[in-house]
Amino acid sequence: ILNVEQSPQSLHVQEGDSTNFTCSFPSSNFYALHWYRWETAKSPEALFVMTLNGDEKKKGQISATLNTKEGYSYLYIKGSQPEDSATYLCAFKSGANNLFFGTGTRLTVIP
Amino acid sequence: DVKVTQSSRYLVKRTGEKVFLECVQDMDHENMFWYRQDPGLGLRLIYFSYDVKMKEKGDIPEGYSVSREKKERFSLILESASTNQTSMYLCASSIRGRNQPQHFGDGTRLSIL
Repeated sequence: ILNVEQSPQSLHVQEGDSTNFTCSFPSSNFYALHWYRWETAKSPEALFVMTLNGDEKKKGQISATLNTKEGYSYLYIKGSQPEDSATYLCAFKSGANNLFFGTGTRLTVIP
Repeated sequence: DVKVTQSSRYLVKRTGEKVFLECVQDMDHENMFWYRQDPGLGLRLIYFSYDVKMKEKGDIPEGYSVSREKKERFSLILESASTNQTSMYLCASSIRGRNQPQHFGDGTRLSIL
């Protein structure tokens, strides 16, 4: 089992604030890094799959960067809205087909 | 859109019962996965399958088995349910390939009494 760490565990921000969280993963045998968004009472939804060092991906007001050499990825949310409230999961793939998930960052956006 | 359907949202069973959790996907995905999610822990892989009749153990297979007789259906079986198998169970599917995300069902919250 590989160690994937996410920080912070939870976060409260005001509507309109920008925020970011971190995912740390082993820097060896990198294959892919996934980000998912999991809203309460719904299924986790894929945001990004990143495979190359230096990758940057964007979906609306959410973006992510990847540094495979130092083993981290950042997820940014610009101008958070209440509907962005969710748990954000990252998952690391090391070359096998298994994904190893972090425990997530729970974001609450206060109106 | 991909649809991954789990047979129950909530399920209550008794210790020692044989429990079946069913998962169906409608997009002809090769890969299917069963995870469990417990407080303070990330999603942990129980079993996965790359094709019909194929299965591989994940990180925590003990006490579970799986069946994949048809491509669209992946069943998780608790042979003799125990209280430590009380958890949220998530099924997922994906296309084979490095860049492919997993598509999840809504989860089954299973309580073993």
